Amino acid sequence: SAVISQKPSRDICQRGTSLTIQCQVDSQVTMMFWYRQQPGQSLTLIATANQGSEATYESGFVIDKFPISRPNLTFSTLTVSNMSPEDSSIYLCSVRDSPDTQYFGPGTRLTVL
Amino acid sequence: RKEVEQDPGPFNVPEGATVAFNCTYSNSASQSFFWYRQDCRKEPKLLMSVYSSGNEDGRFTAQLNRASQYISLLIRDSKLSDSATYLCVVSRSGGYNKLIFGAGTRLAVHP
Repeated sequence: SAVISQKPSRDICQRGTSLTIQCQVDSQVTMMFWYRQQPGQSLTLIATANQGSEATYESGFVIDKFPISRPNLTFSTLTVSNMSPEDSSIYLCSVRDSPDTQYFGPGTRLTVL
Repeated sequence: RKEVEQDPGPFNVPEGATVAFNCTYSNSASQSFFWYRQDCRKEPKLLMSVYSSGNEDGRFTAQLNRASQYISLLIRDSKLSDSATYLCVVSRSGGYNKLIFGAGTRLAVHP
């Protein structure tokens, strides 16, 4: 199974600032995703991080707000830009190494004041 | 209406009890079905896939009814360590088969 690490594990930020979250996988994976889990709610897919091309965003999420990089098959970053308190959430990186198996990173707990 | 609906619970059961969770999905074109487990303040982890014929993994049994668009999870002989949130997950067809998560059902097993 894939082992995923995320940095930072948590952060408290001021509104208007930006935070970049890093995701590192211990093996090369084709499919890499970013999710958000707001308090008491389930996971919502933000975007699919594509290696060598622009990310594919889900409805309600835009590149200006959540720019994503994927320079290689083991690493990706998600930036939360111009943050507001509504962005307070857990952000999770996820990878799929087979059609039926998807793994999640430990998450980044973000609080925006 | 949400694409995947679950009873949020919580289900409070004693050790040794049998408990069942239900889930319905609205997209009849959904292809794959899963139960994930999420412990408090942790990431979700795959518990088991759900197959049309039904499948069992130890104390856990999953069933799928495509006609009714209904998925279930049965836990027998509950353990304290089963306390968690159980997420019903459906794979939407097309492209890379995006996973759609239910909001989860919380289970608390007490001594």
